[in-house]
Order: sequence, then structure tokens, then C-alpha cells
Amino acid sequence: TQLLEQSPQFLSIQEGENLTVYCNSSSVFSSLQWYRQEPGEGPVLLVTVVTGGEVKKLKRLTFQFGDARKDSSLHITAAQPGDTGLYLCAGAAGGYQKVTFGTGTKLQVIP
Amino acid sequence: GAGVSQTPSNKVTEKGKYVELRCDPISGHTALYWYRQSLGQGPEFLIYFQGTGAADDSGLPNDRFFAVRPEGSVSTLKIQRTERGDSAVYLCASSFGTSGSAEQFFGPGTRLTVL
Repeated sequence: TQLLEQSPQFLSIQEGENLTVYCNSSSVFSSLQWYRQEPGEGPVLLVTVVTGGEVKKLKRLTFQFGDARKDSSLHITAAQPGDTGLYLCAGAAGGYQKVTFGTGTKLQVIP
Repeated sequence: GAGVSQTPSNKVTEKGKYVELRCDPISGHTALYWYRQSLGQGPEFLIYFQGTGAADDSGLPNDRFFAVRPEGSVSTLKIQRTERGDSAVYLCASSFGTSGSAEQFFGPGTRLTVL
């Protein structure tokens, strides 16, 4: 069974602060995705990373895939209240389409 | 804009009853997924369809759970003899493509409450 552990589980910060969310596994993934989910809605894809060591930036969000493709991080610079939500990493192994979701990080950004 | 839709949005039932949850995927998407999500947790994989066939149903918790997609579009998740532990949000997602890295588009979910 492939498990993706996210840390921290909860994070409450002030607007303008920086934060990093981690996604770790003992398994190797061929690709890893990050989603954000707001209450009452389904997750929405933020980014997909496929190459070990890959770094992608999406405005104030920076995503990194570990060299060994077992872990990933999401860094948010100058967090804003609109960043509030549940952040989920999700990994896929090989060409197989089953995706395993992480345990989730609930972020609250206080104005 | 035709995203993934799920009906009903909320379902309250009594223990032991039968329920059906419906998912309408994005038109043209060949892959369809069902997940179950508890509050504040990540979605838990239940079953994945490629076209009409269930390519992977390893996430179904037991034989009370069953899903169909007879025409390769709409899917129905069926739960027999519901138990209180079945209470959760049931999410459906669809994607176009055969790769595990393909973007999944999620519906808003059906919140199931078993009393």
C-alpha cells in the first residue's frame, strides 16, 4: 500500500507569512500532483510534477519534487486569506492510473 | 460550463437502507473515479472506470459497495445495507487520458449521512 503523509496536518498563520507543506512517502511515484480543496467543493489541481528534482512555480506557490521521487514540498510566499483551504498531494505510480492522495494539510490564513 | 456533477448533493438515510449516488462526468472523459472523503482527510480511492469497465475496484471496502458505468458516461455508486461508518463525502472525478498524471476534474461531492 502506498501512503503519502503530509505535514503539518494543520497550519494557522497570519497574512503575509511564508509556509511550507511537506508530502512524504516510502514509495516512488512517477508523478505527483498538488490539489487545493475548499469547503463543499471537490479538489482542484494546482500542479503536476514528473521529474525528480523538478521545481515549478505558480505565482506565489513553489512546488518541488524530490530527487528520488518519494517526496514533495509546497512553499507559499506571503500567504493571503484566499490561500485558505485543504492542500492535498497525490501520487501515481507508473502508467497505472490509480492515484493515492495524501493525508491533507488544512491551511488557515488570518487577515 | 459542463463540469462534473453529482446528485444528490446531500443524502440522509437510515442504517440498513440502500442508496444510489450518481456522477455525470465531463463529456468525452474516458476515465471516471470514485473516492470517499472524511472531514479534513484526503480522498480515499474506491474504484476507477476506463470506459464501461471497472479497471480497478480494489478500494471498495466490502461487497456492500458496487458501482456501474453501463454506457461509459454516467456512473452510479450503490451502497447496500448502509452502516453509520459509511457516512462521508463521496467524490467523483473524471479525466481524459490514460496516464496517472492526467488531471482529474472533481465534482462537488455527495454528503452521505447514515443515521
